Amino acid sequence: AQKVTQAQTEISVVEKEDVTLDCVYETRDTTYYLFWYKQPPSGELVFLIRRNSFDEQNEISGRYSWNFQKSTSSFNFTITASQVVDSAVYFCALSEVGSNSGYALNFGKGTSLLVTP
Amino acid sequence: DAGVTQSPTHLIKTRGQQVTLRCSPKSGHDTVSWYQQALGQGPQFIFQYYEEEERQRGNFPDRFSGHQFPNYSSELNVNALLLGDSALYLCASSRGGTGRADTQYFGPGTRLTVL
Repeated sequence: AQKVTQAQTEISVVEKEDVTLDCVYETRDTTYYLFWYKQPPSGELVFLIRRNSFDEQNEISGRYSWNFQKSTSSFNFTITASQVVDSAVYFCALSEVGSNSGYALNFGKGTSLLVTP
Repeated sequence: DAGVTQSPTHLIKTRGQQVTLRCSPKSGHDTVSWYQQALGQGPQFIFQYYEEEERQRGNFPDRFSGHQFPNYSSELNVNALLLGDSALYLCASSRGGTGRADTQYFGPGTRLTVL
């Protein structure tokens, strides 16, 4: 079963628009970590954020913000005032801290974001 | 501060052949994980090496094997290549001794094409 669902396959926005990328996860563990990575056309995954299951505070970093809601098992990512350089595929990932795990990242299928001028 | 490096960048092989991919972790990191990313999909975890041993393995056949060296660098070997092994292979490094779910930092990947 897919542990991380990114229902939006592709999103296209015009520069300066705000855009939210959705991420819904599934786990039975009480301790887990959530991540967002950006993959530009070059292919290298760039780490954006890591959040543990006990910290539901929203986080803001420049134009990026993240909304973590355990009640809905969601960890959504918002880009404010999008720019062309934000065009990339964005991945949400889950790491479960169980008895024999906690090392693998379980990725969603990604959301391809295209920002046009 | 060098990031994660991988070699080669691209590789073309034929079915049935064997391939070795290499990865050097980020400075200060001692753990290496390997992922396979098919076109249009998210990366899939193959395995992780820490202290020169395989610590966790994903759902991949025994044709996929690995090794970690004392300097923390790692190799991924794939035997009896299939067309379906064509993918981007990503290496990630982290600090394994600090606990689980450490942040993994990725290299640029090796694009493997099997003909």
